[in-house]
Amino acid sequence: DGGITQSPKYLFRKEGQNVTLSCEQNLNHDAMYWYRQDPGQGLRLIYYSQIVNDFQKGDIAEGYSVSREKKESFPLTVTSAQKNPTAFYLCASSTQDRGARQPQHFGDGTRLSIL
Amino acid sequence: AQKITQTQPGMFVQEKEAVTLDCTYDTSDQSYGLFWYKQPSSGEMIFLIYQGSYDEQNATEGRYSLNFQKARKSANLVISASQLGDSAMYFCAMREGTHSGYALNFGKGTSLLVTP
Repeated sequence: DGGITQSPKYLFRKEGQNVTLSCEQNLNHDAMYWYRQDPGQGLRLIYYSQIVNDFQKGDIAEGYSVSREKKESFPLTVTSAQKNPTAFYLCASSTQDRGARQPQHFGDGTRLSIL
Repeated sequence: AQKITQTQPGMFVQEKEAVTLDCTYDTSDQSYGLFWYKQPSSGEMIFLIYQGSYDEQNATEGRYSLNFQKARKSANLVISASQLGDSAMYFCAMREGTHSGYALNFGKGTSLLVTP
């Protein structure tokens, strides 16, 4: 079955530590996205990538970094510069057709907490 | 400025009744798409329904329908014959043209509780 796999499901970060969230898709989608969700809030865009080896900042990119070395993979690193990293992180992918009726597909998310 | 506004933080509905979840949006694009997602307490985002800005008919998917009023910039979700399993957060989202690589702008969501 095609889909998006995020790991780990739960992650704990110590002060001053960088942590990396994994996102892998086998849907053959060109575009991948990272969103952050805080309690009682909607999703906010952190980074997106439309093609391998290229990515762009979203609305709240400070304190985060990404890479896109393979079409299938779009890992997110939460750096020590992100002072409030506790949140639910969702990875998504989609086609790049402007008129596409297909939705973005989401992984099951990673819950990140501060130790 | 908020692109998607969901004014109902929480809603209650009795089982088997219909419920409408409100969504208004703000865009100057002529071509855009509107989506509704369901998020159960487990966290995954489940796609429910899509409406394109040029669609003349309101979208329907099983028990879900979208009341699309383009002039009023509203895209309300109607759930008919509510079931206990419909209890979840519901998010309205918009994709505008080529903004942010087709990323979605989300509203803050509406928490729906279906009671027996």
